[in-house]
Amino acid sequence: GALVYQYPRRTICKSGTSMRMECQAVGFQATSVAWYRQSPQKTFELIALSTVNSAIKYEQNFTQEKFPISHPNLSFSSMTVLNAYLEDRGLYLCGARETNSDYTFGSGTRLLVI
Amino acid sequence: LAKTTQPPSMEAYEGQEVNVSCSHTNIATSEYIYWYRQVPHQGPQFIIQGYKDYVVNEVASLFISADRKLSTLSLPWVSLRDAAVYYCIVTDSQGGRALIFGTGTTVSVSP
Repeated sequence: GALVYQYPRRTICKSGTSMRMECQAVGFQATSVAWYRQSPQKTFELIALSTVNSAIKYEQNFTQEKFPISHPNLSFSSMTVLNAYLEDRGLYLCGARETNSDYTFGSGTRLLVI
Repeated sequence: LAKTTQPPSMEAYEGQEVNVSCSHTNIATSEYIYWYRQVPHQGPQFIIQGYKDYVVNEVASLFISADRKLSTLSLPWVSLRDAAVYYCIVTDSQGGRALIFGTGTTVSVSP
């Protein structure tokens, strides 16, 4: 079956530093990868959608300068949170799908900023 | 994308049937209805999807009104493991869009 491994599961970084999280698709080709953030007491906000052979599309309030995403092949994607501050804390989630299939989600990376 | 409206929370006892409603009054002809659930410390997991009428799988049933503006996820004989946040999402997945999550329904299950 389709699986998505996301790591690290949780991480702590100092305010102003950056951290990178990774997403690995197993059992299918991740032609599209979507990254989300769930802040405390909120729902999942879409950060950006990356589709192979297309430009990465960022949602309003999220920028490539703050959340650079890499999607180099059909099984891997990474996202970095640059200059993380308190408001960036939360659960970051990646979801991946093969063309015309449903999304499969990782377990999330919980980011704590101190 | 169609916006969805769900009740914020529901409570049930083990063994009961739970029905979670979702309103999507602006659903487009090309859009499907998806249900995901998220248990603590995990990402959302796909439950069921449908376009119209009635869909059933080994986990749940999905009833969709004739005008497609309302759907109901039915969970038979819930157990403690079914306690989760249930998300109703309406999207045209064939268009390559990402899923847009609403606030979901928190289903609590008591012994």
